[in-house]
Amino acid sequence: KNQVEQSPQSLIILEGKNCTLQCNYTVSPFSNLRWYKQDTGRGPVSLTIMTFSENTKSNGRYTATLDADTKQSSLHITASQLSDSASYICVVTSRNDYKLSFGAGTTVTVRA
Amino acid sequence: KAGVTQTPRYLIKTRGQQVTLSCSPISGHRSVSWYQQTPGQGLQFLFEYFSETQRNKGNFPGRFSGRQFSNSRSEMNVSTLELGDSALYLCASSLVAGGGYNEQFFGPGTRLTVL
Repeated sequence: KNQVEQSPQSLIILEGKNCTLQCNYTVSPFSNLRWYKQDTGRGPVSLTIMTFSENTKSNGRYTATLDADTKQSSLHITASQLSDSASYICVVTSRNDYKLSFGAGTTVTVRA
Repeated sequence: KAGVTQTPRYLIKTRGQQVTLSCSPISGHRSVSWYQQTPGQGLQFLFEYFSETQRNKGNFPGRFSGRQFSNSRSEMNVSTLELGDSALYLCASSLVAGGGYNEQFFGPGTRLTVL
């Protein structure tokens, strides 16, 4: 069964600090990996999407990395802001049937 | 361009009842996917519709059904509601079907509470 595991489950950081979220997956063969940000009470919003040939993608202060060999991805948040408080979800697409596998998400809380 | 809209935003039902949720995709998008989100299970795929046809289905019981109309609007129906059906139901639209490289745009969701 294809799985996506995210860590940590939650974290608290001070405003202005950096943090890194992890995503490990077993989906194979793999088509693409996406990171979503979901604010409380809202739908997820796409941050980045990477294919197996890409190993880094940035969107402002968000930088995603991908190692397709080890099936690991990370999302790095630089100089965190209060508005970064949200749940971050890793989603992996299978190349076989294009089904999406979702991680449980990491809840980030940024404190002033 | 208007985003994905879902109605209603909040719904309270009792066990045994049925419910219908509606989703209007972004103009021009022909694919609509439905997801259930709960604190314990995270996001789980229900089904995807493209051009009025169900293209993909997740592992949910037959009580969960959907349809898509010719204008791409979609409805999801849950019959004989159970307490465990309480969740945030999200709809996502994309230009074409399949996860592929096509970006999905999510609506704000419908919060369903079953008492």
